[in-house]
This record gives sequence, structure tokens and C-alpha cells, in this order.
Amino acid sequence: DAGVTQSPTHLIKTRGQQVTLRCSPKSGHDTVSWYQQALGQGPQFIFQYYEEEERQRGNFPDRFSGHQFPNYSSELNVNALLLGDSALYLCASSLARYFEQYFGPGTRLTVT
Amino acid sequence: GQQLNQSPQSMFIQEGEDVSMNCTSSSIFNTWLWYKQDPGEGPVLLIALYKAGELTSNGRLTAQFGITRKDSFLNISASIPSDVGIYFCAGQWQKLVFGQGTRLTINP
Repeated sequence: DAGVTQSPTHLIKTRGQQVTLRCSPKSGHDTVSWYQQALGQGPQFIFQYYEEEERQRGNFPDRFSGHQFPNYSSELNVNALLLGDSALYLCASSLARYFEQYFGPGTRLTVT
Repeated sequence: GQQLNQSPQSMFIQEGEDVSMNCTSSSIFNTWLWYKQDPGEGPVLLIALYKAGELTSNGRLTAQFGITRKDSFLNISASIPSDVGIYFCAGQWQKLVFGQGTRLTINP
């Protein structure tokens, strides 16, 4: 039973560029949530997708956007990258919106 | 917004000792979760709690959902070297809110 997978593992971008991160949920899960984790901090909620729609959003600017596909996989897009966007981006999946979330290994984004 | 206060921030213990950490919040949650995160990896779910007062065990780990629904604790008995890592509590109402983490170091 495959767990949550994310790609790529690492990414280096330049300020002002755009980036797309990808996530495949655990088998049988239909809800995907995205988190940003800065070094030494707990994960911060970005947004959650269910039935291909954004259902909840944390305190992140509109530069952060996402998408969920019919197969429940998801993408996180960040536009106009800032140095402060450097972080570990985590994807988590769950069976329905209010059940426990299982995390992927993350994508380490470095903005230079 | 919702915030979780997790303590202690770090612990240095001897192998074989018991460990206790807790989380408190000013907000009510309907689910409490405990995760462990190793360097460079995503958090791994250890225990999920769904009812106020619930006490749940997973091997040497025991966690409780506080009666007020505003707190939770995690105990680890007879610590071993592989317990080293960062432990996060997380409360869920509509979204998941994480504590700042407890870094556990074990002296052999």
C-alpha cells in the first residue's frame, strides 16, 4: 500500500520564479492538504483540497495556489518566489476532510 | 488564530527513562494527533485521539485527550535510541494546527 508521495525531493529556484510541487495521496484517500515548514518550526497549514475544490485556506498570500485532479492527486503552485518561501513543503492526505492526516516526505524548496 | 503551546521544547534523557510532553491551547479541538519527525522527512502519525478523556496506547506510547478538549499529553515509556527525533502535537477543528515541537535527545 503506497503512502503519500511527493515530487520533486529537492528544488532550487531564483527569486521571482514560479514553482510547481506535486503530491499523490495515500491509496483510498480523497483529501489533500499542503503545509509549509520552516526550519525549526512546526508545519503551517496552507490549504486543503477536497472534491477538486479548495475547502480551507491558512494565512498565505494569493501567490500560493493549488489544484486537485480527478484522481485526487494535487499540485501546489507558488508564484513570484521570495527568499522567505524557502522551506520544506509537506503534503498530507486523509480519508475525508476531518480524519487523521498522513504526510509525505516533503519537497525541500530553496530560493536564492 | 489558534495556537498550540507545546512543552518542553527539548529534552535530554538517559536511555530507559520515561518521557512526558504536553500541549495546551486556548481553543477547543475535536481531534488531537501526535506525530514524530526525523530530520529531512515528513511527520509520521503516532497516535490519534477523537474523544475528550480518551486514553490511547501504541506500544510504549500513551496519549490522552484532555477533558476540556484544550490539551493533550504524550508519554513514552522506557525510551530507546530510535525514539530520538522531534515530536509534534496537532489539534484539528477544521484545519490542523501544530505545536512548536519537542526535540528528544537520548544519552546512551
